[in-house]
Amino acid sequence: DAGVIQSPRHEVTEMGQEVTLRCKPISGHDYLFWYRQTMMRGLELLIYFNNNVPIDDSGMPEDRFSAKMPNASFSTLKIQPSEPRDSAVYFCASSFRQGRTGNTIYFGEGSWLTVV
Amino acid sequence: AQSVTQPDIHITVSEGASLELRCNYSYGATPYLFWYVQSPGQGLQLLLKYFSGDTLVQGIKGFEAEFKRSQSSFNLRKPSVHWSDAAEYFCAVVGNSGYALNFGKGTSLLVTP
Repeated sequence: DAGVIQSPRHEVTEMGQEVTLRCKPISGHDYLFWYRQTMMRGLELLIYFNNNVPIDDSGMPEDRFSAKMPNASFSTLKIQPSEPRDSAVYFCASSFRQGRTGNTIYFGEGSWLTVV
Repeated sequence: AQSVTQPDIHITVSEGASLELRCNYSYGATPYLFWYVQSPGQGLQLLLKYFSGDTLVQGIKGFEAEFKRSQSSFNLRKPSVHWSDAAEYFCAVVGNSGYALNFGKGTSLLVTP
């Protein structure tokens, strides 16, 4: 069974350009998460969706960041305009809520973004 | 807010030696706790998780963790480390939302011959 699929795996872009990161969650999962990993701040939750609806976007750093989930099998994280401080690894993750037993969150391999 | 602290940024152990990575949590009730491993250039892989019941949890790759409420800890252990265990290890707790995870800063494990 395929895991969480992210694209692109690596992207180098110039400051001011728009960046779109893509994610395909595991089929049947009803939660989708976007995390950012940097050396300074570690793993931070940016936003998460339940059944395609954004539930908590309090971790989105600023208005330059936006995320959408138009259907159960696709999500995007967009940065416009990008800045050098956005350079990080962006992880998409998904899970299926299993009641009181909690959920295991499965991570993609990440999108490595460098803004120059 | 629920959070975890990993006191050790780096740990070096010899191959074949035992390993213990520390994790302390902050949460009033029984937390949902996880350990993930990240190999260089890779995503995060779940090693084990604790929700309730037996406080000693077995995971993949020979890892185990013990939940100790009295010490607010969930330390990860392995009796004999292999060179392939060199990676970054993250402890995590389910956050206020009840769904998303809050991660510790991670512990980088180096295995020497």
